[in-house]
Parts: sequence; structure tokens; C-alpha cells
Amino acid sequence: EPEVTQTPSHQVTQMGQEVILRCVPISNHLYFYWYRQILGQKVEFLVSFYNNEISEKSEIFDDQFSVERPDGSNFTLKIRSTKLEDSAMYFCASRRLAGYAGNTQYFGPGTRLTVL
Amino acid sequence: AQTVTQSQPEMSVQEAETVTLSCTYDTSESDYYLFWYKQPPSRQMILVIRQEAYKQQNATENRFSVNFQKAAKSFSLKISDSQLGDAAMYFCAYRSQTGTASKLTFGTGTRLQVTL
Repeated sequence: EPEVTQTPSHQVTQMGQEVILRCVPISNHLYFYWYRQILGQKVEFLVSFYNNEISEKSEIFDDQFSVERPDGSNFTLKIRSTKLEDSAMYFCASRRLAGYAGNTQYFGPGTRLTVL
Repeated sequence: AQTVTQSQPEMSVQEAETVTLSCTYDTSESDYYLFWYKQPPSRQMILVIRQEAYKQQNATENRFSVNFQKAAKSFSLKISDSQLGDAAMYFCAYRSQTGTASKLTFGTGTRLQVTL
């Protein structure tokens, strides 16, 4: 069964450094999402992406964040200058356009980001 | 904006018994989707079950079933014949049907313990 994959599984970085989190969505999916979960808290929406542009973004997704689909398979989240409060689990999710399963978002295993 | 409330931070169930996790939501929309996701200690988000608001019939997936009460805006998850592997955080989530890339809005989660 196809899966969403994410790399790396754990990223440790120094405050102020740039990080890029990578995701490979399920191959026939057309909608892509990033969510984050600070330890012990609920999962929060960051951004959705469709047709090579951002569809919606949350208040969390400020100028420090950007997303890209550079090559038709990868979907990346970049944090330009990390802060301590960016430490969280980051989940990528994808969804098909239509069909019964089309409205279900399938999540990757997450990348744990630790900012020191 | 839609909100999702899970009023039970923790629940406990004995193996082979049945447990019900509660979820309520607030929306002014008539068409939407509801989901239960499971998050084991690995922190991966795993889809358990989904429900379309236009369907009166409650969704079932093996030992998992929901009690969807649209008028009451309630969406509880029943786990029958609980197994040790069911121990996890369970998140209820809402997705609007309007908009092409609508995000998931999550509740705060219920931690389920399964005891022998």
C-alpha cells in the first residue's frame, strides 16, 4: 500500500539555522499539507498546497516558512531561521483529488525537529 | 471557524472490553467530514475511521464504529474487544467540504490506556 514518507525522522539544529523537511506524498495525490504538533499538544494546520501554489495557510505559517514542490515528487517545508518554539513534530499529509478516498488525508510518519 | 472538542483527556479500558471516546464539534456548515486518527507512541498519525456528514448510517471498520449525531454535533468512537495495541492517543478531526484543499481541524486528543 502506498505511503507518505518523510525525511529525516529526526532533525537537530541550532537556533537561527535553516532547515528543510522533506516529504514524498503518495504518487497520485494532488493536495499536500503540512501540520505540526508541539509535544503534548494537538496537531495544528500549517499550510495546504495544490497546483503548485499555496491554497491556505495558518497564522503560524509566517514569513519564516515556505513550501515547495521542486521536482514533481518531493514536497518540502523550509524554516529559514529556526526558533526554539519551532521544536515540534512536523507531519506531511496528502490527498487525492476525488473519489471515496479522495477526501481522506494520509499522513507521513513525521519529522521530529529539535531546535537548540 | 470550526472547533473540535474532546472532553476526555484520558480513558482506560480493560482488554476485551468496550470503550467510547467522545468528540463534539461546532460548525455552521451542513456538509463536512469527520475523522478519527490514532497516534501510537511512534507518533505517526493513522486513520481509524471516517464519516461523511450527509450519510445517516454510522461508519464501521472492524472493531471500530462511530455514533454520529449530526443535530447534536457529536461524533463518538466505540472500540469493541479492546486490544493492547489500541493503546494510543486518539484525535477527532473535522474537515469542511467547501474549498478544494480544506484543512483538518483537530481536537486535543484522548489518551487511551488498555489494561490486562
